[in-house]
Amino acid sequence: DTGVSQDPRHKITKRGQNVTFRCDPISEHNRLYWYRQTLGQGPEFLTYFQNEAQLEKSRLLSDRFSAERPKGSFSTLEIQRTEQGDSAMYLCASSPGLAGGLGTGELFFGEGSRLTVL
Amino acid sequence: AQKVTQAQTEISVVEKEDVTLDCVYETRDTTYYLFWYKQPPSGELVFLIRRNSFDEQNEISGRYSWNFQKSTSSFNFTITASQVVDSAVYFCALSEAYNTDKLIFGTGTRLQVFP
Repeated sequence: DTGVSQDPRHKITKRGQNVTFRCDPISEHNRLYWYRQTLGQGPEFLTYFQNEAQLEKSRLLSDRFSAERPKGSFSTLEIQRTEQGDSAMYLCASSPGLAGGLGTGELFFGEGSRLTVL
Repeated sequence: AQKVTQAQTEISVVEKEDVTLDCVYETRDTTYYLFWYKQPPSGELVFLIRRNSFDEQNEISGRYSWNFQKSTSSFNFTITASQVVDSAVYFCALSEAYNTDKLIFGTGTRLQVFP
């Protein structure tokens, strides 16, 4: 099954360290999303890509966060100088999109990368 | 601003009981979309349904049904004859018409179905 895969599944790091998460979307999907979920909350939108172009970034995404999708396939989310408040589950999702650049809202999520900052 | 409220934090039922999960939303848009997603213990969110703001017809899919009422800004989800496999966290979500994939989620309702 070629669903959305994320790596690593768990990451424990010390405050101030940099971390990088990788997401491999479903191969034929041109849209890729990053969401963040903290305990007891719903996912919050961070950013999304249409092919290799990053089209929108949430205000939640501080300057310490950067996301890339260099060839329109996999994506990376890097957090620099991690803080304890960055501890969360980072979810990646993809969708096929529609003609005209519209989305469908039917997102295919990965199992997430859980970050713990000590 | 857009907002989704799921007032029920946790619901416990016994197998075969019917259960309704409530969802109330706020938006100033006239065109918008509503969704339900399921998050089982494995953590992977699974899409259940999408509804646009112009379609108020109720929908039934097997044991699942959805009731959309614009007059009360609600989009409730009913599971009939619940099963243990229905145990999960259920999220209601809202999106704007300009970007249907940018979802605003509620805080979720944890459903526990006991045998």
